[in-house]
Amino acid sequence: DIQMTQSPSSLSASVGDRVTITCRASQSISSYLNWYQQKPGKAPKLLIYAASSVQSGVPSRISGSGSGTDFTLTISSLQPGDFATYYCQQSYSTPWTFGQGTKVEIK
Amino acid sequence: EVQLVESGGGLVKPGGSLRLSCAASGFTFSSYTMNWVRQAPGKGLEWVSSISSSGTYIYYADSVKGRFTISRDNAKNSLYLQMNSLRAEDTSVYYCVLGTTGKPEYFQHWGQGTLVTVSS
Repeated sequence: DIQMTQSPSSLSASVGDRVTITCRASQSISSYLNWYQQKPGKAPKLLIYAASSVQSGVPSRISGSGSGTDFTLTISSLQPGDFATYYCQQSYSTPWTFGQGTKVEIK
Repeated sequence: EVQLVESGGGLVKPGGSLRLSCAASGFTFSSYTMNWVRQAPGKGLEWVSSISSSGTYIYYADSVKGRFTISRDNAKNSLYLQMNSLRAEDTSVYYCVLGTTGKPEYFQHWGQGTLVTVSS
């Protein structure tokens, strides 16, 4: 199975900050990497697919990059609605696996 | 508008069975891979099972293989998960998730989830 490791596990940031979350795969997954946002008590929401393609309706301040084993999710200017937990997920091979999550909290 | 509405969750004793259903609308159900993903209380996301658009290809996580069965009825726009031999560690919110029509694959829309609690 492909293991996905996110860092950091949590971070504190202020509105307006630039935030970067890293996801590393245990083997090369090309660009088969997706990002999701989950707010407390809610279902996850797709943000980024295929490493850098932004899902329709997602704000332009959110972007993704990377290929192979190393990927990043960047929020260029953190907004109040961005405080949530973020998960990466590989779709290179089954079993589909997720990172452990990164909780973005208000500083 | 895509809508996925799960039902069938509840409290069940260890070793018991439960059948989850997901009613889909707002898209051409028969064209898409469908999935179940679960989340234990306070924990991360775990993929459970996927079924291709026609039902030809089915995949399971090792943790549920041999105990859970995914199925779909394209005429009824419905997805199912039959869960047998339930264990305490199966306690989770189960999400019905819309996949894609091909590669790249991703989980593009999630239902609100249904809670399954396995406890004596």
